[in-house]
This record gives sequence, structure tokens and C-alpha cells, in this order.
Amino acid sequence: AQSVSQHNHHVILSEAASLELGCNYSYGGTVNLFWYVQYPGQHLQLLLKYFSGDPLVKGIKGFEAEFIKSKFSFNLRKPSVQWSDTAEYFCAVIDNQAGTALIFGKGTTLSVSS
Amino acid sequence: DAGVTQSPTHLIKTRGQQVTLRCSPKSGHDTVSWYQQALGQGPQFIFQYYEEEERQRGNFPDRFSGHQFPNYSSELNVNALLLGDSALYLCASSLGGLDEQFFGPGTRLTVL
Repeated sequence: AQSVSQHNHHVILSEAASLELGCNYSYGGTVNLFWYVQYPGQHLQLLLKYFSGDPLVKGIKGFEAEFIKSKFSFNLRKPSVQWSDTAEYFCAVIDNQAGTALIFGKGTTLSVSS
Repeated sequence: DAGVTQSPTHLIKTRGQQVTLRCSPKSGHDTVSWYQQALGQGPQFIFQYYEEEERQRGNFPDRFSGHQFPNYSSELNVNALLLGDSALYLCASSLGGLDEQFFGPGTRLTVL
């Protein structure tokens, strides 16, 4: 079955530092890829998604992600983080051959100090 | 436009009891999915409902069952509760199945 790995459990950065969070899914085929964010006390929100086309996708709040098919990866990036980016970040995949379930990684907690 | 709503917000039950959680999808959405999120983990897919039928099911025992009503709202039922069922239960809605899923705030279930 498809699975998602997020390499960093907890990332601590200072404001203005650059961010990259790793995400890999387990095997190929046609997939839809997502990054969700959960701010403290709030529900899961979509940051960005990739279905097809340009492998570099831009999302809300200055986030972007690059889909590298050969590496089964979909890493999240932001050039300069803010204190308000402190949150839990989840990578998720829909394996189109297996159905429509979202398969999530375990999440990465990002703490940004001002 | 209201997003996905869930009720109740919190629930405390004892082992062996049964619980029903409710979800109203975002306006215009026809598909409802349920996820279980244990502390420190990512959400795990329980099942998905479309056109009042269970379309797909994750690796959860038959104690977990659901229903979708003609107005697309949904219920999640859990029988014979175990301590390990304590978690945040998330409902998500979408139009069809492959597009973005919008999440509700969740129901926090505690089993004592």
C-alpha cells in the first residue's frame, strides 16, 4: 500500500530563515499530492496541491513545492519563514490507482522563533 | 458559506460503549471522508462515502461504521469502544474524490 514519509519530525528555525520540509511517497503511478497545515488551535487547511503539469507549484502564504517524479518526492519550501508559520505540516497523497483516500505522513512540527 | 462542521466538539465515553459522530459537508460537496488522528500522528483514513454508499474503506475493524444521508451529511459510529479509540476524528468533504478535501475542526473522543 502507498505510504508517505516525512523526514523531519520537528524543525526549529529563526524568522527569515529558509525552510525545506521533505516528503516522499512509496511508489509510482499517477498520484495527486498535497501539503496541509494545521496552525495551533485550528483545523487542517490546504497549502498547495499538485495534480499534473508544472512540477513546481505555488501555494498560499509564499509556500511552494516541487514534484520530482524520479525521486517520488514532493518537498515543501519557503524562502523566508515568519513566526506565524509555526504549525504542524502534513504531506499527503492520493494514489489514483488505489482509490480516493488521502494518505498522510506523520507530520512535521515547525517552530519559528522571533 | 459554512465550511465543514462536526459535532460534538468533545466526547468522553467508557470502554464498551458506542458513539456517533456527525459531519455536515461544505456546501456543494457530495463526498465525505472520515479520518482518525492519534496524538502526534498524521490522520489515518477510515472510510469515504459517496452517493450514500461506502466507496472506499481503510484498515479499520467493522466496529467502525458509517452512513451518508441524502443531504450528503454523514455519521461515524464506533461500537464496543476501546481505550485505543481515543483520538481526534476528522471529517473531510470534497466534490468527487480526487480533488482537495476540506477538513472540519474534528471531534475529540476520549475513552476511559
